[in-house]
Amino acid sequence: DAGVTQSPTHLIKTRGQQVTLRCSPKSGHDTVSWYQQALGQGPQFIFQYYEEEERQRGNFPDRFSGHQFPNYSSELNVNALLLGDSALYLCASSFWGGEGTYEQYFGPGTRLTVT
Amino acid sequence: RKEVEQDPGPFNVPEGATVAFNCTYSNSASQSFFWYRQDCRKEPKLLMSVYSSGNEDGRFTAQLNRASQYISLLIRDSKLSDSATYLCVVNDNDMRFGAGTRLTVKP
Repeated sequence: DAGVTQSPTHLIKTRGQQVTLRCSPKSGHDTVSWYQQALGQGPQFIFQYYEEEERQRGNFPDRFSGHQFPNYSSELNVNALLLGDSALYLCASSFWGGEGTYEQYFGPGTRLTVT
Repeated sequence: RKEVEQDPGPFNVPEGATVAFNCTYSNSASQSFFWYRQDCRKEPKLLMSVYSSGNEDGRFTAQLNRASQYISLLIRDSKLSDSATYLCVVNDNDMRFGAGTRLTVKP
């Protein structure tokens, strides 16, 4: 059973460009969340998708947008890239089980460098 | 006040030592709590969920004090392989991560 997968693993872009990152959730998981992790910091929540809709959103500008497909995979799009967007972008898939249990697993991340 | 605050660290301890990490959270309505472990340049991995008053898993014990809005993680008999950054996470409809505490276990 494959866990959460992300592509690409590394990416270098120039300021002002646009980028699309991709994520496939763990089998059986229907919810995908995206996080940005700057060096030396904890992951910061960007947004969460469930049933192809954005369900929650963190404090990120509209330049950050996403999409979830019927097979639960997801994309994160960032427009007009800034130097400060350089970070590790983590995708996490999750599932609410019975008796209030909750599990969330992270993918290996995409390291984005903006020059 | 930050939503989730952790000991700044780093913690440098010898093998076999007992080490404790603390975490405080600001939202008194938070319902679920987790500890994640993150190795250098890797993704965070779930270490423990903390759903009620606390729980134990082998050498690891997590405690929750709702009145003080405080979570702790205790590692007993620490191993070299425990060296990592430990992230405190609070679920407020979305997952709020602390900045993490780095632990280095030395021989």
